[in-house]
Amino acid sequence: ETGVTQTPRHLVMGMTNKKSLKCEQHLGHNAMYWYKQSAKKPLELMFVYNFKEQTENNSVPSRFSPECPNSSHLFLHLHTLQPEDSALYLCASTRGLEQFFGPGTRLTVL
Amino acid sequence: ILNVEQSPQSLHVQEGDSTNFTCSFPSSNFYALHWYRWETAKSPEALFVMTLNGDEKKKGRISATLNTKEGYSYLYIKGSQPEDSATYLCAFLTNAGKSTFGDGTTLTVKP
Repeated sequence: ETGVTQTPRHLVMGMTNKKSLKCEQHLGHNAMYWYKQSAKKPLELMFVYNFKEQTENNSVPSRFSPECPNSSHLFLHLHTLQPEDSALYLCASTRGLEQFFGPGTRLTVL
Repeated sequence: ILNVEQSPQSLHVQEGDSTNFTCSFPSSNFYALHWYRWETAKSPEALFVMTLNGDEKKKGRISATLNTKEGYSYLYIKGSQPEDSATYLCAFLTNAGKSTFGDGTTLTVKP
């Protein structure tokens, strides 16, 4: 266990649905990340938050909307997704150079 | 676009074999190189963070070396066990804080 949890672990949604992914860590880390892994592709960074402020948006479409209400929680709000957004979404937090990952949410968009 | 390449893509070995794989990365703007071990349905687990040219790190039967001048890192597993079966990821971190992952090497160790 890395100390980073994600819910749900699996999610199936239609293109018109709105859903949210949740990430939580109580490790005292101040930086949190969202990554996406599509089939047969490497992990891609989506968003970075430092001390609740977004410091990186890696050209992610606006149908993905992150939220970081405090240093322990990170959300990814999903709206009007496309089938090609089906992927594994991983959350991570960092302490110095060490990165701790959650187990991911497997998202399927129908 | 930063190119991080891992080879081989997959590897099948017998229990007890020693094995190694490679991570290649740009030799400029280097800050750190991470190795992760990722078992199916689990979180990627950090193995090593390497920052200095010539670094060698070891954790049990797993070790790694780093050459920042030529842009590569090797991961070695001595006496592979079935529980070593996983995907091994490397990630290159630039001095601007940008992290790029490789595709991973998937290791299968047969009993």
